[in-house]
Amino acid sequence: NAGVTQTPKFQVLKTGQSMTLQCAQDMNHNSMYWYRQDPGMGLRLIYYSASEGTTDKGEVPNGYNVSRLNKREFSLRLESAAPSQTSVYFCASKDSRLSGNTIYFGEGSWLTVV
Amino acid sequence: AQKVTQAQTEISVVEKEDVTLDCVYETRDTTYYLFWYKQPPSGELVFLIRRNSFDEQNEISGRYSWNFQKSTSSFNFTITASQVVDSAVYFCALSEWGGADGLTFGKGTHLIIQP
Repeated sequence: NAGVTQTPKFQVLKTGQSMTLQCAQDMNHNSMYWYRQDPGMGLRLIYYSASEGTTDKGEVPNGYNVSRLNKREFSLRLESAAPSQTSVYFCASKDSRLSGNTIYFGEGSWLTVV
Repeated sequence: AQKVTQAQTEISVVEKEDVTLDCVYETRDTTYYLFWYKQPPSGELVFLIRRNSFDEQNEISGRYSWNFQKSTSSFNFTITASQVVDSAVYFCALSEWGGADGLTFGKGTHLIIQP
């Protein structure tokens, strides 16, 4: 029961470095999401992909890029990391072809930018 | 625009007490879904319940119960006879009826159950 798998789980970056968070789901879901969680802020949507080949901005897209590599994989890239991007990142997926389907989350990736 | 408000930032109770977590939402949609997720100290997000806007029946699952009132735009969560294992951050969330838009989350309520 892998569900949504994201890597790495922990990462420390220096300001200005780049990195990519990887996410894969094995539930045949068509829609995938990247959220960030900051203390006292809840979860905020960064980008999402409604279906393979499409991506859209969420609430807080600045400083990030995404790639929907195929139906299973959706990556999040930080081109030039900043301390403000220190956060916990969650990948998620759902089958949006059916109304109200539940979104399932990965276990999170803890990113620190120093 | 959608908005979810969880006014209680942190609640601390003694084990075996009942506790209610409040959730108030705003949406212009007439049909929508509401969710509760649990985030234990280990950090993962655990789905608890989904409720659609047509169904105002209260839901009970073991020690958990949910009270959805469309008239007051509230979807409150009660834990009866709380246990230490219930200690977690609980998030209320809202989504549109169909489509691929993600969830709109409240800021969460940190529940502390003291032994």
